[in-house]
Amino acid sequence: DVKVTQSSRYLVKRTGEKVFLECVQDMDHENMFWYRQDPGLGLRLIYFSYDVKMKEKGDIPEGYSVSREKKERFSLILESASTNQTSMYLCASSSGTIYEQFFGPGTRLTVL
Amino acid sequence: AQKVTQAQTEISVVEKEDVTLDCVYETRDTTYYLFWYKQPPSGELVFLIRRNSFDEQNEISGRYSWNFQKSTSSFNFTITASQVVDSAVYFCALSGYNFNKFYFGSGTKLNVKP
Repeated sequence: DVKVTQSSRYLVKRTGEKVFLECVQDMDHENMFWYRQDPGLGLRLIYFSYDVKMKEKGDIPEGYSVSREKKERFSLILESASTNQTSMYLCASSSGTIYEQFFGPGTRLTVL
Repeated sequence: AQKVTQAQTEISVVEKEDVTLDCVYETRDTTYYLFWYKQPPSGELVFLIRRNSFDEQNEISGRYSWNFQKSTSSFNFTITASQVVDSAVYFCALSGYNFNKFYFGSGTKLNVKP
């Protein structure tokens, strides 16, 4: 079974803090994704990566950056957290030959 | 532009009722893929089905069935004899030829009451 894990289920941070969200997958998938989920808006893509050190902006990249130094790990960074970044963050991965995305359990981030 | 619309925000049914979740999509690609995911209260999205644009056959898996109609750009999901465990948020999604990028609908919350 594909396993996607995220470093925290719940996180509380203060405005202006630098926040790291970590995601690890164990199935050697090429593609990894970060989404945020907000009520009524579904899932919106922040960034994705199709290879180590490669990244592409999604639909809402502002205020975020990412890092992929190893194939299995994809990090989302909030350089200076703001209250409007309070949300559920979902990580996913997929193989180039298997199309569905496999999701982690999510991190519910609250920025005070 | 790629877009997925799930017009039903929330549906409530009583156990054993049948329920259909609607999904309408927009795309200019001739090759594309459609997906349904389930998000139970625990939060993790669970993959249910993938369909490619060249395969319009309906699919049945136990109590679940999917109706794909290119003519109306719809990919609807029916649960027969619903159960309380079906309570979740269901997302429809679309990916184009470049399947790296998924477009999700806003989700339909299904409440199945005993």
